[in-house]
Amino acid sequence: SAVISQKPSRDICQRGTSLTIQCQVDSQVTMMFWYRQQPGQSLTLIATANQGSEATYESGFVIDKFPISRPNLTFSTLTVSNMSPEDSSIYLCSVEERFGYTFGSGTRLTVV
Amino acid sequence: KQEVTQIPAALSVPEGENLVLNCSFTDSAIYNLQWFRQDPGKGLTSLLLIQSSQREQTSGRLNASLDKSSGRSTLYIAASQPGDSATYLCAVRGNFNKFYFGSGTKLNVKP
Repeated sequence: SAVISQKPSRDICQRGTSLTIQCQVDSQVTMMFWYRQQPGQSLTLIATANQGSEATYESGFVIDKFPISRPNLTFSTLTVSNMSPEDSSIYLCSVEERFGYTFGSGTRLTVV
Repeated sequence: KQEVTQIPAALSVPEGENLVLNCSFTDSAIYNLQWFRQDPGKGLTSLLLIQSSQREQTSGRLNASLDKSSGRSTLYIAASQPGDSATYLCAVRGNFNKFYFGSGTKLNVKP
């Protein structure tokens, strides 16, 4: 299965700042997915990122708050903008493979 | 909209016990169902994937079954070990690559 490197693994940020999370895949993939997992909750899909086109956002998520880049078939970034304590979550990227979905190790974000 | 429910929310068992985790979903029109393991503060590790045409998958001490018509899946863990302690998530894939997660079962295996 694909190996996904996600950075940073964790960060503590001041409210009002932005954090960019990177996801590098060791093989070319058409779609990459970004999820959020709030404390004690399950995963919620933020957006789907296709190379060469704008990301598709799920209900409740907007591009201004969570801009996504997908410059090539192996890399994507998610930015959490103008952060507030409510953004404290684990953020995960994921790719679909023949044998299911593979996830990165996650970014644990704490906003203070 | 697809809804995925996992029961129980938490489970504590002594080491060596066999156990069953349950997952149910409301829309039987799924492409596949996948079970994951998540350790505290970490990402997800895929355990088993069952295609909609399959009834079960096995990997080591794990066995997952799927009854699509009734909207149910079970994850059977044999001879549980303390290292199995984690949160177990099931997720179903529906249309348009949408992936719906359950809220998880937090398993604690006591030595």
